[in-house]
Amino acid sequence: EAQVTQNPRYLITVTGKKLTVTCSQNMNHEYMSWYRQDPGLGLRQIYYSMNVEVTDKGDVPEGYKVSRKEKRNFPLILESPSPNQTSLYFCASSFTGRQQYFGPGTRLTVT
Amino acid sequence: AQSVTQLDSHVSVSEGTPVLLRCNYSSSYSPSLFWYVQHPNKGLQLLLKYTSAATLVKGINGFEAEFKKSETSFHLTKPSAHMSDAAEYFCVVKTGGYQKVTFGIGTKLQVIP
Repeated sequence: EAQVTQNPRYLITVTGKKLTVTCSQNMNHEYMSWYRQDPGLGLRQIYYSMNVEVTDKGDVPEGYKVSRKEKRNFPLILESPSPNQTSLYFCASSFTGRQQYFGPGTRLTVT
Repeated sequence: AQSVTQLDSHVSVSEGTPVLLRCNYSSSYSPSLFWYVQHPNKGLQLLLKYTSAATLVKGINGFEAEFKKSETSFHLTKPSAHMSDAAEYFCVVKTGGYQKVTFGIGTKLQVIP
Protein backbone atom coordinates (compact mmCIF):
# COMPACT_ATOMS: atom_id res chain seq x y z
CA GLU A 1 0.00 0.00 0.00
CA ALA A 2 1.32 3.43 -0.98
CA GLN A 3 1.77 5.49 2.13
CA VAL A 4 3.69 8.02 4.17
CA THR A 5 4.42 6.89 7.71
CA GLN A 6 5.46 8.99 10.68
CA ASN A 7 6.73 7.92 14.07
CA PRO A 8 5.94 8.52 16.78
CA ARG A 9 2.33 9.61 16.41
CA TYR A 10 2.28 11.23 19.85
CA LEU A 11 5.18 12.53 21.87
CA ILE A 12 5.42 14.43 25.13
CA THR A 13 8.88 15.65 26.02
CA VAL A 14 10.68 18.27 28.09
CA THR A 15 12.47 21.41 27.04
CA GLY A 16 15.94 20.80 25.70
CA LYS A 17 15.75 17.05 25.19
CA LYS A 18 16.73 16.24 21.63
CA LEU A 19 14.19 14.32 19.61
CA THR A 20 13.69 12.95 16.11
CA VAL A 21 10.44 12.39 14.26
CA THR A 22 10.83 9.92 11.44
CA CYS A 23 9.10 10.06 8.09
CA SER A 24 9.19 7.35 5.45
CA GLN A 25 7.49 6.93 2.08
CA ASN A 26 7.30 3.92 -0.23
CA MET A 27 6.31 5.68 -3.46
CA ASN A 28 9.80 6.58 -4.73
CA HIS A 29 8.93 10.28 -4.49
CA GLU A 30 11.73 12.79 -4.97
CA TYR A 31 10.07 15.60 -3.04
CA MET A 32 9.49 15.45 0.70
CA SER A 33 8.45 18.13 3.12
CA TRP A 34 7.68 18.86 6.77
CA TYR A 35 4.88 21.11 8.01
CA ARG A 36 3.60 22.22 11.35
CA GLN A 37 -0.06 22.94 11.93
CA ASP A 38 -1.18 25.42 14.56
CA PRO A 39 -4.70 26.72 15.22
CA GLY A 40 -5.49 29.80 13.15
CA LEU A 41 -2.23 29.54 11.20
CA GLY A 42 -2.91 26.65 8.85
CA LEU A 43 0.05 24.55 7.82
CA ARG A 44 3.45 26.16 7.56
CA GLN A 45 6.33 24.57 5.74
CA ILE A 46 9.41 23.89 7.86
CA TYR A 47 11.83 22.25 5.43
CA TYR A 48 11.61 20.51 2.12
CA SER A 49 13.82 18.26 0.07
CA MET A 50 13.88 17.92 -3.68
CA ASN A 51 16.00 14.78 -3.64
CA VAL A 52 18.68 12.92 -1.73
CA GLU A 53 21.13 15.33 -0.09
CA VAL A 54 19.12 18.35 -1.35
CA THR A 55 17.24 20.23 1.34
CA ASP A 56 16.03 23.79 1.74
CA LYS A 57 14.29 25.97 4.28
CA GLY A 58 10.59 26.58 4.23
CA ASP A 59 8.87 29.43 6.01
CA VAL A 60 9.54 28.42 9.63
CA PRO A 61 12.87 26.52 9.81
CA GLU A 62 14.20 27.97 13.08
CA GLY A 63 14.81 25.31 15.72
CA TYR A 64 14.60 22.39 13.30
CA LYS A 65 17.02 20.29 11.28
CA VAL A 66 16.44 17.71 8.58
CA SER A 67 18.49 15.24 6.58
CA ARG A 68 17.87 13.28 3.40
CA LYS A 69 20.41 10.49 3.17
CA GLU A 70 18.02 8.07 1.50
CA LYS A 71 15.21 8.78 -0.90
CA ARG A 72 12.54 7.18 1.26
CA ASN A 73 13.37 8.82 4.61
CA PHE A 74 13.22 12.43 5.77
CA PRO A 75 13.61 12.75 9.55
CA LEU A 76 12.84 15.96 11.42
CA ILE A 77 15.25 16.74 14.25
CA LEU A 78 14.65 19.09 17.15
CA GLU A 79 18.04 19.56 18.79
CA SER A 80 16.72 21.53 21.77
CA PRO A 81 12.94 21.58 21.77
CA SER A 82 11.09 24.49 23.32
CA PRO A 83 7.43 24.89 24.30
CA ASN A 84 6.72 27.02 21.22
CA GLN A 85 7.41 23.93 19.13
CA THR A 86 4.38 22.21 20.59
CA SER A 87 2.36 21.52 17.48
CA LEU A 88 0.95 18.96 15.08
CA TYR A 89 3.54 17.94 12.51
CA PHE A 90 2.90 16.50 9.07
CA CYS A 91 5.30 14.93 6.64
CA ALA A 92 4.41 14.82 2.94
CA SER A 93 5.91 13.46 -0.26
CA SER A 94 5.29 13.77 -3.98
CA PHE A 95 6.76 13.53 -7.41
CA THR A 96 8.07 16.97 -8.30
CA GLY A 97 5.20 19.29 -9.23
CA ARG A 98 2.50 16.75 -8.42
CA GLN A 99 0.07 16.37 -5.54
CA GLN A 100 1.47 15.71 -2.10
CA TYR A 101 0.62 12.68 0.00
CA PHE A 102 0.51 13.38 3.71
CA GLY A 103 1.41 11.25 6.66
CA PRO A 104 -1.01 10.80 9.58
CA GLY A 105 0.61 13.49 11.73
CA THR A 106 2.68 13.61 14.91
CA ARG A 107 1.33 15.49 17.88
CA LEU A 108 4.25 16.90 19.86
CA THR A 109 4.00 18.49 23.28
CA VAL A 110 7.05 20.17 24.81
CA THR A 111 6.76 21.06 28.50
CA ALA B 1 7.29 35.14 -3.48
CA GLN B 2 3.88 33.57 -3.12
CA SER B 3 0.97 33.83 -0.74
CA VAL B 4 -2.53 32.54 -0.21
CA THR B 5 -5.49 34.29 1.39
CA GLN B 6 -8.55 32.36 2.42
CA LEU B 7 -11.13 35.05 2.82
CA ASP B 8 -13.32 33.32 5.40
CA SER B 9 -12.10 31.50 8.48
CA HIS B 10 -15.58 29.99 9.07
CA VAL B 11 -18.44 29.29 6.68
CA SER B 12 -21.80 27.93 7.76
CA VAL B 13 -24.35 26.51 5.29
CA SER B 14 -27.51 24.47 5.53
CA GLU B 15 -27.51 20.93 4.22
CA GLY B 16 -28.52 20.89 0.56
CA THR B 17 -27.46 24.50 -0.14
CA PRO B 18 -24.44 25.58 -2.20
CA VAL B 19 -20.96 25.89 -0.76
CA LEU B 20 -18.50 28.65 -1.67
CA LEU B 21 -15.05 28.78 -0.07
CA ARG B 22 -12.96 31.67 -1.30
CA CYS B 23 -9.24 31.71 -2.04
CA ASN B 24 -7.01 34.38 -3.52
CA TYR B 25 -3.36 33.85 -4.30
CA SER B 26 -0.32 35.77 -5.37
CA SER B 27 2.56 34.29 -7.28
CA SER B 28 5.42 35.60 -9.36
CA TYR B 29 5.21 32.69 -11.76
CA SER B 30 2.62 30.28 -13.08
CA PRO B 31 1.16 28.65 -10.00
CA SER B 32 -0.12 25.20 -9.23
CA LEU B 33 -3.13 25.45 -6.95
CA PHE B 34 -4.68 22.81 -4.74
CA TRP B 35 -7.53 22.39 -2.32
CA TYR B 36 -7.12 19.93 0.56
CA VAL B 37 -9.67 18.85 3.13
CA GLN B 38 -9.01 17.83 6.72
CA HIS B 39 -11.72 16.13 8.73
CA PRO B 40 -11.49 16.38 12.53
CA ASN B 41 -8.47 14.52 13.90
CA LYS B 42 -7.61 13.24 10.45
CA GLY B 43 -4.86 13.84 7.92
CA LEU B 44 -5.11 15.87 4.74
CA GLN B 45 -6.80 14.66 1.59
CA LEU B 46 -6.49 16.23 -1.85
CA LEU B 47 -9.79 17.49 -3.23
CA LEU B 48 -8.58 18.88 -6.54
CA LYS B 49 -5.68 20.60 -8.26
CA TYR B 50 -5.04 23.11 -11.01
CA THR B 51 -1.82 22.78 -12.99
CA SER B 52 -2.36 25.02 -16.07
CA ALA B 53 -4.73 22.77 -17.99
CA ALA B 54 -8.50 23.46 -17.89
CA THR B 55 -9.42 26.43 -15.74
CA LEU B 56 -12.48 24.66 -14.31
CA VAL B 57 -11.26 21.77 -12.21
CA LYS B 58 -13.45 18.99 -10.94
CA GLY B 59 -12.50 17.14 -7.81
CA ILE B 60 -13.78 14.43 -5.54
CA ASN B 61 -17.11 14.41 -3.69
CA GLY B 62 -18.75 16.87 -6.10
CA PHE B 63 -16.38 19.77 -5.46
CA GLU B 64 -15.00 21.95 -8.19
CA ALA B 65 -12.91 25.11 -8.47
CA GLU B 66 -12.32 27.71 -11.14
CA PHE B 67 -8.94 29.29 -11.77
CA LYS B 68 -9.37 32.97 -12.65
CA LYS B 69 -6.03 34.50 -13.49
CA SER B 70 -7.39 38.04 -13.87
CA GLU B 71 -8.82 37.90 -10.36
CA THR B 72 -6.01 35.72 -8.91
CA SER B 73 -8.70 33.53 -7.41
CA PHE B 74 -9.31 29.82 -7.02
CA HIS B 75 -12.65 29.53 -5.22
CA LEU B 76 -14.01 26.12 -4.22
CA THR B 77 -17.68 25.33 -4.83
CA LYS B 78 -20.17 22.53 -4.41
CA PRO B 79 -23.80 22.71 -5.54
CA SER B 80 -25.30 20.95 -2.52
CA ALA B 81 -23.69 20.51 0.88
CA HIS B 82 -23.79 17.20 2.75
CA MET B 83 -23.27 16.73 6.45
CA SER B 84 -20.11 14.78 5.66
CA ASP B 85 -18.61 17.93 4.09
CA ALA B 86 -18.13 19.49 7.53
CA ALA B 87 -14.35 19.84 7.78
CA GLU B 88 -11.52 22.32 7.39
CA TYR B 89 -10.45 23.24 3.87
CA PHE B 90 -7.05 24.53 2.83
CA CYS B 91 -6.12 26.36 -0.35
CA VAL B 92 -2.50 25.75 -1.37
CA VAL B 93 -0.19 27.39 -3.89
CA LYS B 94 3.04 26.05 -5.31
CA THR B 95 4.93 28.02 -7.92
CA GLY B 96 6.46 26.18 -10.86
CA GLY B 97 10.19 25.80 -10.45
CA TYR B 98 9.97 27.16 -6.91
CA GLN B 99 9.42 24.31 -4.57
CA LYS B 100 8.09 26.06 -1.52
CA VAL B 101 4.50 25.26 -0.71
CA THR B 102 2.24 27.83 0.93
CA PHE B 103 -1.00 26.94 2.69
CA GLY B 104 -3.85 29.28 3.49
CA ILE B 105 -4.93 29.45 7.11
CA GLY B 106 -7.94 27.27 6.41
CA THR B 107 -11.71 27.66 6.28
CA LYS B 108 -13.87 25.65 8.65
CA LEU B 109 -17.08 24.56 6.99
CA GLN B 110 -20.07 23.91 9.20
CA VAL B 111 -23.08 22.15 7.69
CA ILE B 112 -26.35 22.67 9.53
CA PRO B 113 -29.01 19.95 9.29
